[in-house]
Amino acid sequence: AQKITQTQPGMFVQEKEAVTLDCTYDTSDQSYGLFWYKQPSSGEMIFLIYQGSYDEQNATEGRYSLNFQKARKSANLVISASQLGDSAMYFCAMRGMDFGNEKLTFGTGTRLTIIP
Amino acid sequence: DVKVTQSSRYLVKRTGEKVFLECVQDMDHENMFWYRQDPGLGLRLIYFSYDVKMKEKGDIPEGYSVSREKKERFSLILESASTNQTSMYLCASTSPPSGNTIYFGEGSWLTVV
Repeated sequence: AQKITQTQPGMFVQEKEAVTLDCTYDTSDQSYGLFWYKQPSSGEMIFLIYQGSYDEQNATEGRYSLNFQKARKSANLVISASQLGDSAMYFCAMRGMDFGNEKLTFGTGTRLTIIP
Repeated sequence: DVKVTQSSRYLVKRTGEKVFLECVQDMDHENMFWYRQDPGLGLRLIYFSYDVKMKEKGDIPEGYSVSREKKERFSLILESASTNQTSMYLCASTSPPSGNTIYFGEGSWLTVV
């Protein structure tokens, strides 16, 4: 069974500061992918970053980086130099990669508010 | 442009009604998912399908059923709607084996009165 845990229901961060959103996961799969999505108040799901379980390097996409610690089963999202437009809900998700076991599971989310 | 389309954006239904939520994707994806999203609970998986006529229960299947007769269409059915099924329903699709892109619909806001 897959499980994603996001322990921060809400965070307030000063503009231009870096922020880390926590995500831990549990799975018995050998091969899996980890995702972070942003959901602004409009409701659309915006893909931010992806990390495969066998990727040796931490994924980076512009201001976003994923701090992947496989032994600790954590996949924290780091946003550098936060902006007001970063205020949104953030979801961590995991997907199995084996055929027939491609369940996609989300965490409960973290609401990030950037303060001017 | 790739697309996942949910048939209804906003619905209001009465308790006991049968409700159909339709999701269509135009990318020939094998995998399709239905979630409901509630404040503080995140996205919870109701059902998913990895092929035509194949379905798997997610974490909260009770009170729901699904149908996938064609590859592009995945329907969520509420046999007898109840007020506790008032929620936002989100459809997603993706393609194995290593696709790291998941496409989401715009969501369907269902209110059961």
